[in-house]
Amino acid sequence: QKEVEQNSGPLSVPEGAIASLNCTYSDRGSQSFFWYRQYSGKSPELIMSIYSNGDKEDGRFTAQLNKASQYVSLLIRDSQPSDSATYLCAGTLDNQGGKLIFGQGTELSVKP
Amino acid sequence: DTGVSQDPRHKITKRGQNVTFRCDPISEHNRLYWYRQTLGQGPEFLTYFQNEAQLEKSRLLSDRFSAERPKGSFSTLEIQRTEQGDSAMYLCASSLSPRGDAFFGQGTRLTVV
Repeated sequence: QKEVEQNSGPLSVPEGAIASLNCTYSDRGSQSFFWYRQYSGKSPELIMSIYSNGDKEDGRFTAQLNKASQYVSLLIRDSQPSDSATYLCAGTLDNQGGKLIFGQGTELSVKP
Repeated sequence: DTGVSQDPRHKITKRGQNVTFRCDPISEHNRLYWYRQTLGQGPEFLTYFQNEAQLEKSRLLSDRFSAERPKGSFSTLEIQRTEQGDSAMYLCASSLSPRGDAFFGQGTRLTVV
């Protein structure tokens, strides 16, 4: 079992809809979680970080963490074509120096 | 620009040659990480530094790979005797603390022919 797993997609949503991206992790020692957006041919760009159970909102983005279920999600409201990218979920383990363990990414396509 | 900077952005090399990549982290960040990413996969951890000390190396990092961070500032990643399987995007990231947000540079895309 991979340490961080994501549905590879592609996930296709119409413009203006809510896109829901999901991630599960296997190690209960995982402490912090991050969502990165990666456009084709570019490097990952940090869009959200979440450290405790519950929801964290930033503009159109909401990250949700449920440590009991070992589940992390990212909701994108009012999706725009410019949101079309691969979204990478990553976690860190306590006492591991902050190294990120990434999922394989979910490709999101927002159709006008 | 005060973000993470990597050089070169692209490198094409012949199999068997040595290559070296450079990463300049965000200036106040004491942690620096190297990752490798192949098409369709998430980045894979290679190694990381806290200041000038290399604290962990992944099993992915064969003896042909070496990284340094002299004086705790910029870092270099060298690959000796490159192989076609080394073709990938090499990413550098930096952060202020183990729980801090990590920011990536633009990456160096290596193609071994």
